[in-house]
Amino acid sequence: KNQVEQSPQSLIILEGKNCTLQCNYTVSPFSNLRWYKQDTGRGPVSLTIMTFSENTKSNGRYTATLDADTKQSSLHITASQLSDSASYICVVSSNTNAGKSTFGDGTTLTVKP
Amino acid sequence: NAGVTQTPKFRILKIGQSMTLQCTQDMNHNYMYWYRQDPGMGLKLIYYSVGAGITDKGEVPNGYNVSRSTTEDFPLRLELAAPSQTSVYFCASNREGIQYFGAGTRLSVL
Repeated sequence: KNQVEQSPQSLIILEGKNCTLQCNYTVSPFSNLRWYKQDTGRGPVSLTIMTFSENTKSNGRYTATLDADTKQSSLHITASQLSDSASYICVVSSNTNAGKSTFGDGTTLTVKP
Repeated sequence: NAGVTQTPKFRILKIGQSMTLQCTQDMNHNYMYWYRQDPGMGLKLIYYSVGAGITDKGEVPNGYNVSRSTTEDFPLRLELAAPSQTSVYFCASNREGIQYFGAGTRLSVL
């Protein structure tokens, strides 16, 4: 069964600090891995997308890494801001399931002043 | 740039009532999806469509129906609403692996 596990479930950090969120998956065969940011009461918004051959992808202060051998990904947030407070969702797609994806339950990040 | 538009934003239903959640996208994407998100939980796929006239069940299709008569529109129908269908519903479309989500419909069934 395809699964995506995210950790930690929640995280509180001080403004200006860095943090790293983890994603482990068992989706096979692998097509791509995406990280989304979901603000409270809003729909998810794409941050990064990585295919099998990509090890790292950046989007401003967000940097995602992918280790396809160990089936792990991380999202690193640098110099956090209050607006980074949100849920971060890891999503993995297989290239055999007509565009369906497996979603993690998300990590809720709270950035405090 | 409208993207994916969902209506209504909020709705309260009585048990047994029915309603249609509307979703339209202006990006000419073939793939469209309906998800539900319960409080503190991840998104669960209800139904999806790979193009006009083609729909298929996701993880949690019971109690819902969909149709896809055009590329733009992908409505979700709830028949005989139940309290277990209280949730936030998200519609999304997909192009080149990236999903674009609507703002969601918050539904309460009382």
